Amino acid sequence: EVQLLESGGDLVQPGGSLRLSCAASGFIFSNYAMNWVRQAPGKGLEWVSTIVAGGGGIYYSDSVKGRFTISRDNAKNTLYLQMNSLRPEDTGVYFCAKGMYMGFDGGFDYWGQGTLVTVSS
Amino acid sequence: QSVLTQPPSVSGAPGQRVTIPCTGSSSNIGSGYDVQWYQQLPGTGFKLLIYGNTNLPSGVPDRFSGSKSGTSASLTITGLQAEDEADFYCQSYDSSLSAVVFGGGTKLTVL
Repeated sequence: EVQLLESGGDLVQPGGSLRLSCAASGFIFSNYAMNWVRQAPGKGLEWVSTIVAGGGGIYYSDSVKGRFTISRDNAKNTLYLQMNSLRPEDTGVYFCAKGMYMGFDGGFDYWGQGTLVTVSS
Repeated sequence: QSVLTQPPSVSGAPGQRVTIPCTGSSSNIGSGYDVQWYQQLPGTGFKLLIYGNTNLPSGVPDRFSGSKSGTSASLTITGLQAEDEADFYCQSYDSSLSAVVFGGGTKLTVL
């Protein structure tokens, strides 16, 4: 059974940093692209970032480019999101999602339950 | 404002058929990029319903179907059941933005 378990969400002041983690199990982690998607309170979904299977291809939305860094440790089956220079508009639930393929295409076939990030003073 | 446009809400009675449209443009759906559909159930998270425009993942009832034409796609649910009540999102890729894009979401109410 595929499981994705996010952690690291917290209340942080504007300008602060957080590191999110996503522990994966139930599939060959190194064979698939992995993604972060967020949902602001009461709003829809926003794609944040994707890292391809081998880690050689990394993609960001314009809203987080230069502030967030996605990475993966295939030996630990874990996905990360380092979030710096946080802004109030970064507030929301952050979901880890498994890509259907190795690369930056296709959809997301499994999702975690999410971790809440709140940016407020 | 989402790149892909969905109606905020749709409704239908049990047993009826409902269709949720997803309107894009020439830089996303119209460029041939695949459309996926997700169901967000309260408390249970997201479920992939349709991938590659028309394909059902294993375990998804065949009451759900997807289609695509031109710059639009749609999700159709036949034989509506109370358990179908949820939020639904379409998703594709936009070449102008070089980004994965989602629709704003549609809340389905089963009357």
